[in-house]
Amino acid sequence: GAVVSQHPSRVICKSGTSVKIECRSLDFQATTMFWYRQFPKQSLMLMATSNEGSKATYEQGVEKDKFLINHASLTLSTLTVTSAHPEDSSFYICSARAHGGPRETQYFGPGTRLLVL
Amino acid sequence: AQSVAQPEDQVNVAEGNPLTVKCTYSVSGNPYLFWYVQYPNRGLQFLLKYITGDNLVKGSYGFEAEFNKSQTSFHLKKPSALVSDSALYFCAVRPAISGNTPLVFGKGTRLSVIA
Repeated sequence: GAVVSQHPSRVICKSGTSVKIECRSLDFQATTMFWYRQFPKQSLMLMATSNEGSKATYEQGVEKDKFLINHASLTLSTLTVTSAHPEDSSFYICSARAHGGPRETQYFGPGTRLLVL
Repeated sequence: AQSVAQPEDQVNVAEGNPLTVKCTYSVSGNPYLFWYVQYPNRGLQFLLKYITGDNLVKGSYGFEAEFNKSQTSFHLKKPSALVSDSALYFCAVRPAISGNTPLVFGKGTRLSVIA
């Protein structure tokens, strides 16, 4: 299957700092990328959907000024957690889908564990 | 709105025995159905999907799933479980319409295969 990478895999930061997470599709062009958040022992919660070159669409309750998403190219999307606080600590997972519509499989990155002290 | 139900939080099975992880869905129109597996501290790995055609779908690692439209189910099965199959399994659905509709996930079922 297709490969999606995320960097970093783990990050620890101080409260008030900003953290950038990169998501790359390595062997396909991802016209659509999704960002999820997963709390321990829970399912994935969709945060936002982004298309290359367009503004991201955020799910209800997700602050767009807090979680900045940039989908600058067909292989790269970034999520920046601005002014991070301890409650932002979580497992963040990106997902990418090639052009082809809803039949296409969504492939997931390995996740980034964020710990805000 | 679409939704996915995985009625079992945990499934325990002995190694070598068949396993079933249940999933039912609700969606407007025809569904596209997916199964993913998640190992500890990892992202999700794609196992298989149903788009159209044969109701029995075969996927990675010997897993298969059967689409049952009348029961709106898409149960995941494997004839003989391995200890290495122990993981968290997610069923997901997306309506078969155009656009960027995201996957909707079930809450997950933890499979434990006991040697």
